[in-house]
Amino acid sequence: ETGVTQTPRHLVMGMTNKKSLKCEQHLGHNAMYWYKQSAKKPLELMFVYSLEERVENNSVPSRFSPECPNSSHLFLHLHTLQPEDSALYLCASSQFKAGPSEQYFGPGTRLTVT
Amino acid sequence: AQTVTQSQPEMSVQEAETVTLSCTYDTSESDYYLFWYKQPPSRQMILVIRQEAYKQQNATENRFSVNFQKAAKSFSLKISDSQLGDAAMYFCAYRRFNSGGSNYKLTFGKGTLLTVNP
Repeated sequence: ETGVTQTPRHLVMGMTNKKSLKCEQHLGHNAMYWYKQSAKKPLELMFVYSLEERVENNSVPSRFSPECPNSSHLFLHLHTLQPEDSALYLCASSQFKAGPSEQYFGPGTRLTVT
Repeated sequence: AQTVTQSQPEMSVQEAETVTLSCTYDTSESDYYLFWYKQPPSRQMILVIRQEAYKQQNATENRFSVNFQKAAKSFSLKISDSQLGDAAMYFCAYRRFNSGGSNYKLTFGKGTLLTVNP
């Protein structure tokens, strides 16, 4: 595997389910991100981890819980979601440093909440 | 707070022609970075081109070039000799230059869906 991978690619879950999204980066980066992409809206940054420490949490509801066990893996744990949480969830990674460090994105997980 | 505006939700171009996608942004910073990302249908978002605000020369990457107008806070993307593979959603993004703990944050526009007609 190369780059940033995400599993599953598609997920349908009921409002009472608990599920997790997984992201893995193979680029040796030290920062990882979760974004939410909804139709006709800008990408929303949800969480940022740098060196496995959370450095940003953009007032995301507690039904979304991130976990970063090491610099290569990032999880997003989901529970009691709402239909409006249906979206494409993108993971990205970068080298956390000064300068225009590029963010590399995964293919995303298409989440549908029923 | 910084904002990024892409005023064209959709654009179309004939194959081999040139198209320009618009982007404006609002910031009080003097140094920053600007990016264009491409997201093909059902595929990963990739970086197309980036521009450092302190550089006056417009960035160019093969068929992709930008027109960076710092005073006007405008950052348009020109695609020359358009190809079918250029069809995608294009996002303009802004990042602060180097502000300690928040130098990573990208602010995105809503995107422009580009269709390339054969």
